[in-house]
Amino acid sequence: AQSVSQHNHHVILSEAASLELGCNYSYGGTVNLFWYVQYPGQHLQLLLKYFSGDPLVKGIKGFEAEFIKSKFSFNLRKPSVQWSDTAEYFCAVNARTNAGKSTFGDGTTLTVKP
Amino acid sequence: GAVVSQHPSRVICKSGTSVKIECRSLDFQATTMFWYRQFPKQSLMLMATSNEGSKATYEQGVEKDKFLINHASLTLSTLTVTSAHPEDSSFYICSARDRVRGGVTGELFFGEGSRLTVL
Repeated sequence: AQSVSQHNHHVILSEAASLELGCNYSYGGTVNLFWYVQYPGQHLQLLLKYFSGDPLVKGIKGFEAEFIKSKFSFNLRKPSVQWSDTAEYFCAVNARTNAGKSTFGDGTTLTVKP
Repeated sequence: GAVVSQHPSRVICKSGTSVKIECRSLDFQATTMFWYRQFPKQSLMLMATSNEGSKATYEQGVEKDKFLINHASLTLSTLTVTSAHPEDSSFYICSARDRVRGGVTGELFFGEGSRLTVL
């Protein structure tokens, strides 16, 4: 079975600060990796995903994530955060052999102070 | 992007009654839908996998007789909380997998969630 660990439960940053949210997963096989975001009062939506190819993935709103297979990691980054990035961020993984069933991390609450 | 709609967004009911929550994929066909429960400040807990035209697959510890799931068509899945009790109060979220766009990666499209409060 796969599992996902997000190291930061709550991150508080000032605008223009750089962001890195950690995500590690455990699974021995090939995986698809995702970051989802939940803005206050809104539903979860996809931020970016890794399926294959370039391990550095670029998503919406200037976010990117790097898949490091040797470290089982898929950390999310943004060079300069904005107040509007305040949200809950979830890392998720599914096994390539069972691509529908995703496992989610506990989530990281990001608060960006204006 | 693909749109998934959940209804109702909020529901309050008395203990012992049943509540039905609908999850619809509006612009795509979803052979598979998932139902989650989200507790405050916690992650999404997968409750069950709903496959069109077949019985749902429940995760360990989830009572299938209490949380009835029906996936009668490619665009609709329903979750019925039967004989609800206060401990069932939670935020329930559905997601759907687009058979065309999510067939390989398993990307999920989420509904808005339904806040259930059982008095």
